[in-house]
Amino acid sequence: NAGVTQTPKFQVLKTGQSMTLQCAQDMNHNSMYWYRQDPGMGLRLIYYSASEGTTDKGEVPNGYNVSRLNKREFSLRLESAAPSQTSVYFCASTVQGNQPQHFGDGTRLSIL
Amino acid sequence: RKEVEQDPGPFNVPEGATVAFNCTYSNSASQSFFWYRQDCRKEPKLLMSVYSSGNEDGRFTAQLNRASQYISLLIRDSKLSDSATYLCVVSGTYKYIFGTGTRLKVLA
Repeated sequence: NAGVTQTPKFQVLKTGQSMTLQCAQDMNHNSMYWYRQDPGMGLRLIYYSASEGTTDKGEVPNGYNVSRLNKREFSLRLESAAPSQTSVYFCASTVQGNQPQHFGDGTRLSIL
Repeated sequence: RKEVEQDPGPFNVPEGATVAFNCTYSNSASQSFFWYRQDCRKEPKLLMSVYSSGNEDGRFTAQLNRASQYISLLIRDSKLSDSATYLCVVSGTYKYIFGTGTRLKVLA
């Protein structure tokens, strides 16, 4: 019973490098989300995908891009990593808006 | 003003105590409400949804007051394993707003 799976779990990058965070869910959920969590702050929405084929910006989209590859997968890309993007990134999914979200166990990303 | 506000705590309580957290929200059009639990460096996990009539799940009781725009969580007979951060979440069609969390420490 995997739920929401995120890869990698840890990553260290140098400033300017690029990388893609992967997220997959096996619950047949329609909506998927990417958040970042920083100390002393709540989870902040980066991007979301209400349904397959759609993506929308959240509260903090600058420096990120997303792809909803299919119903199961939603990836987050950092094109040119900056130290300010050091954070814990969580992917979540829900069957539809206003329903409880289910979270992956996070990616801890450090940018030097 | 933050859209969702919580007292950060920590609330330090002895085992067996009853503890209550409140959370206020600013958007009166909010549609759904949840409490999540987050352990240190782990992902948030759904504790319970909050319904207008109030709801209970074992030792946990959640209440919603739409008129005053707050939700509450009551934990009875606290266990050491209840030590965690409790996140209040308010949603309105694909938009989920998280509080910064209330930290609970249950002491032996």
